[in-house]
Amino acid sequence: GAGVSQSPSNKVTEKGKDVELRCDPISGHTALYWYRQSLGQGLEFLIYFQGNSAPDKSGLPSDRFSAERTGGSVSTLTIQRTQQEDSAVYLCASSSGVSSYNEQFFGPGTRLTVL
Amino acid sequence: KNQVEQSPQSLIILEGKNCTLQCNYTVSPFSNLRWYKQDTGRGPVSLTIMTFSENTKSNGRYTATLDADTKQSSLHITASQLSDSASYICVVLIKAAGNKLTFGGGTRVLVKP
Repeated sequence: GAGVSQSPSNKVTEKGKDVELRCDPISGHTALYWYRQSLGQGLEFLIYFQGNSAPDKSGLPSDRFSAERTGGSVSTLTIQRTQQEDSAVYLCASSSGVSSYNEQFFGPGTRLTVL
Repeated sequence: KNQVEQSPQSLIILEGKNCTLQCNYTVSPFSNLRWYKQDTGRGPVSLTIMTFSENTKSNGRYTATLDADTKQSSLHITASQLSDSASYICVVLIKAAGNKLTFGGGTRVLVKP
């Protein structure tokens, strides 16, 4: 399809394990965003990438969280030593630029459950 | 305190009826205000985008209004359908913050037959 895809759709892990979440943005989109949606909470910005610029990591909640974007396309969000409070839906979005009017297209999300 | 507050948190309406969702924001200045629809288990989908100079924008049965003086926005759903059951999220884009989106907590709408 032509939309943003994310994998896996669901991930259950044990506390203390590392997890990797993947995002495939819309082809040609230069901007990529990661958000977190905890149960009963609004979406929370985590990190964004724009082209070859250094990513804006200002939303990452701790140094256990990191993200990469290889080749300006696919992105991976890594959470090390997962904690129960990391349980949430992780959403990825992409846009064709970072103009204030560019629409962000969201993927379906990865539901992470930390036991 | 969240910079974007939505009300009500949830509401139930009968199919065919209208409803209005409210959004109050404190962020200023902002670049634009957006309303998204999020179906259960899906990512948000954009309904409307308004700049601070726009007062109203429609997308089919959805009409958004914006009052930049009172810092209020509303989303009106006309002749609701069962498929309108979803969460509706008000989002403000702050240009000074690197075009990051600030999300409201959403209003969960349930349309009953």
